[in-house]
Amino acid sequence: GNSVTQMEGPVTLSEEAFLTINCTYTATGYPSLFWYVQYPGEGLQLLLKATKADDKGSNKGFEATYRKETTSFHLEKGSVQVSDSAVYFCALSESGGYQKVTFGTGTKLQVIP
Amino acid sequence: DAGVIQSPRHEVTEMGQEVTLRCKPISGHNSLFWYRQTMMRGLELLIYFNNNVPIDDSGMPEDRFSAKMPNASFSTLKIQPSEPRDSAVYFCASSIQAGRNSPLHFGNGTRLTVT
Repeated sequence: GNSVTQMEGPVTLSEEAFLTINCTYTATGYPSLFWYVQYPGEGLQLLLKATKADDKGSNKGFEATYRKETTSFHLEKGSVQVSDSAVYFCALSESGGYQKVTFGTGTKLQVIP
Repeated sequence: DAGVIQSPRHEVTEMGQEVTLRCKPISGHNSLFWYRQTMMRGLELLIYFNNNVPIDDSGMPEDRFSAKMPNASFSTLKIQPSEPRDSAVYFCASSIQAGRNSPLHFGNGTRLTVT
């Protein structure tokens, strides 16, 4: 079956540091890939997505590139802010008719001033 | 855009009681999902509806759990009887079924505590 593996957290960074959160996946076919972010007390919200190989998703300074050859979708940001502190989830959506989404376990990011 | 609306935000109940969680999806979305989130197991898909019809309920843990979607704007998740191990945050999410590229839109969840 499909699976998503994320680096374990928590990740603690100083403000303005560079962020990488690793994500690799296993899937049949050609899935779409997503990063969701969850702030305390809230539901998940879409951060960015990529729908085919070599696509780059970007939003709010975050980027991730769909790498089919390494089955990866690593999240990066050049300069993190305290407001980026949250839990980040990598996810994939299967190809085919049923829109089943497989989530990773989440990586908690804490940014300190 | 009002977003996905869940109620209540918090529910505290005693073991053995019936619990009903409610969800109003975004208007125009025809796919609805119920998830459960715990520290131990992360996010688990409980059930998925498409056009108000349950498509995949393989994640529903036991017969104590049931879900309904009587119309396009309302869904319920019921636990009867509740047990302490049901304590978790329950999320409802909806999406436009436009293929695999459609993101999920989550509500803010219901935090359930069963004592």
